Amino acid sequence: GAGVSQSPSNKVTEKGKDVELRCDPISGHTALYWYRQSLGQGLEFLIYFQGNSAPDKSGLPSDRFSAERTGGSVSTLTIQRTQQEDSAVYLCASSLVVGGGYEQYFGPGTRLTVT
Amino acid sequence: AQTVTQSQPEMSVQEAETVTLSCTYDTSESNYYLFWYKQPPSRQMILVIRQEAYKQQNATENRFSVNFQKAAKSFSLKISDSQLGDTAMYFCAFMKRGGSNYKLTFGKGTLLTVNP
Repeated sequence: GAGVSQSPSNKVTEKGKDVELRCDPISGHTALYWYRQSLGQGLEFLIYFQGNSAPDKSGLPSDRFSAERTGGSVSTLTIQRTQQEDSAVYLCASSLVVGGGYEQYFGPGTRLTVT
Repeated sequence: AQTVTQSQPEMSVQEAETVTLSCTYDTSESNYYLFWYKQPPSRQMILVIRQEAYKQQNATENRFSVNFQKAAKSFSLKISDSQLGDTAMYFCAFMKRGGSNYKLTFGKGTLLTVNP
């Protein structure tokens, strides 16, 4: 079947604007993860979902970041009042279940540039 | 907290030769998983190989194999018969086996270039 898809592929926004990044996981995968990849910080875990629930939000960098998942499927990562330091590639991954060493399948990411 | 260190920011190898990428990690956990992911220019992370820490046998996947030294906390990746398509960033990653066993902790990556 189809892999993890993310949209948009690239997003350029002005500082202070809000952005929404979308992730479509592999069908049937109950776990969904968001990571951020930046030059300075490398790959960082942001948040994960088990179904529609996000048990651990501690990886979110600030309260400007939020995420939701609906219907156990699509997830949206929202960044409010974007700052230049938010510029990064945002990667989404999904796995059959949480943990257990199950493979996390990654999407191609959204490259966010804040000008 | 876990840390993963990849000490080689860049490496290059000739096509058909063998190359080894290094990875060390620090953890107080006794049960965990280790992974090598590949990220080509398309940005999509692809799992290369997976090792369960409680298994002594080193994992192998076709041309890819690991040397897992649990006591030394070392997890290197060997690529045999390198191909042009192996050119990519390679990330070593750690995942706990219990508790907060959902997130991957990545190293900074090694950029591997395979030359014709």
